[in-house]
Amino acid sequence: GQSLEQPSEVTAVEGAIVQINCTYQTSGFYGLSWYQQHDGGAPTFLSYNGLDGLEETGRFSSFLSRSDSYGYLLLQELQMKDSASYFCAVPLISSGSARQLTFGSGTQLTVLP
Amino acid sequence: NAGVTQTPKFRVLKTGQSMTLLCAQDMNHEYMYWYRQDPGMGLRLIHYSVGEGTTAKGEVPDGYNVSRLKKQNFLLGLESAAPSQTSVYFCASRERGKRGTGELFFGEGSRLTVL
Repeated sequence: GQSLEQPSEVTAVEGAIVQINCTYQTSGFYGLSWYQQHDGGAPTFLSYNGLDGLEETGRFSSFLSRSDSYGYLLLQELQMKDSASYFCAVPLISSGSARQLTFGSGTQLTVLP
Repeated sequence: NAGVTQTPKFRVLKTGQSMTLLCAQDMNHEYMYWYRQDPGMGLRLIHYSVGEGTTAKGEVPDGYNVSRLKKQNFLLGLESAAPSQTSVYFCASRERGKRGTGELFFGEGSRLTVL
């Protein structure tokens, strides 16, 4: 089977740094993606890690450790607009192909003033 | 820049009624997906398509059918709606290949209530 675990809720104050963790169990692995969703709207792609280490995109960074089956999304200089749900996702590998993407249950981030 | 467009955005059905959700993308993507999202359960894959004329089952396919007659359109059908199908449905598309790393582009969602 395939499963992803992430915390259901995280709360932080404006200007702070917050880390959202994701652990996964998969048969085969190509990489870990992160998506953001505001108020039930369309999820949008944030980042992808195919190799171990940190990927930085502005205030957001994403980290992957394949040996630990673990990754995290780091949000710096938090702003009110960062209040949203964040999902980690991994491809489902079948017969060498990775056509499906499996999502975690999501982490609701609340940024307080 | 329409991207992925879903219609309708809202619908209320009675148990046993049928309906079709339409997804259209203008990015010439090969792969298209239908997900459902329920509170606390994230996005679960219903069906997907890797090209015109092809469809495949996802994680939760029961009670749904799909068709991909044209590359840009992916239809999701409910033949006999049940209250358990009350959910928000998202369509998504992406480029072919890239070993699952390609970015998924989502529509704004279709909110379905079955009474």
